[in-house]
Amino acid sequence: NAGVTQTPKFQVLKTGQSMTLQCAQDMNHNSMYWYRQDPGMGLRLIYYSASEGTTDKGEVPNGYNVSRLNKREFSLRLESAAPSQTSVYFCASSERRYGELFFGEGSRLTVL
Amino acid sequence: AQTVTQSQPEMSVQEAETVTLSCTYDTSESNYYLFWYKQPPSRQMILVIRQEAYKQQNATENRFSVNFQKAAKSFSLKISDSQLGDTAMYFCAFTQVFQGAQKLVFGQGTRLTINP
Repeated sequence: NAGVTQTPKFQVLKTGQSMTLQCAQDMNHNSMYWYRQDPGMGLRLIYYSASEGTTDKGEVPNGYNVSRLNKREFSLRLESAAPSQTSVYFCASSERRYGELFFGEGSRLTVL
Repeated sequence: AQTVTQSQPEMSVQEAETVTLSCTYDTSESNYYLFWYKQPPSRQMILVIRQEAYKQQNATENRFSVNFQKAAKSFSLKISDSQLGDTAMYFCAFTQVFQGAQKLVFGQGTRLTINP
């Protein structure tokens, strides 16, 4: 029972490089999310997808793009990485309205 | 905008003691959900307990219980008989009611250390 799977778990980038964080869930959930976690700031929502075919901005969307590839997969892309994007990124999914979010294990990204 | 505030950045207690983590939130909504999530050193986010705003009864899950004061917009977590495995970051979170996905808003977190 994999739940929510994120790849890669760790990544080091140079400023200006691009990369894509992949996320897949096997729980048949409609909604998926990308959060970032920074020290002292909790988790902040970057983008979310309420259902397949839709995406919306969260609290901190600048510098990111997302793609809801299908019901299972939701990717986060950094087109030109900046040191301010050094963070731990979490993907999550949910189904039942007002229900809990199920999180992946997180991806630690460092931008030099 | 909805906000969640955890005023205790760090707490430390002895094993078997009871500890209470504080959380306040701000919203104009009348129907919403509140959560406490635990994040151990493994980094995994684990749901501890959930409270529905329209329910007056405080939620409990084994050693974990909440004190939900809707009028005061307060949602504290009590951990009884604390164990070494309770050492973790604890996040309070709030979700607003709207069509489609629920967007959780998280507090800054409280780092809890249980000492042997």
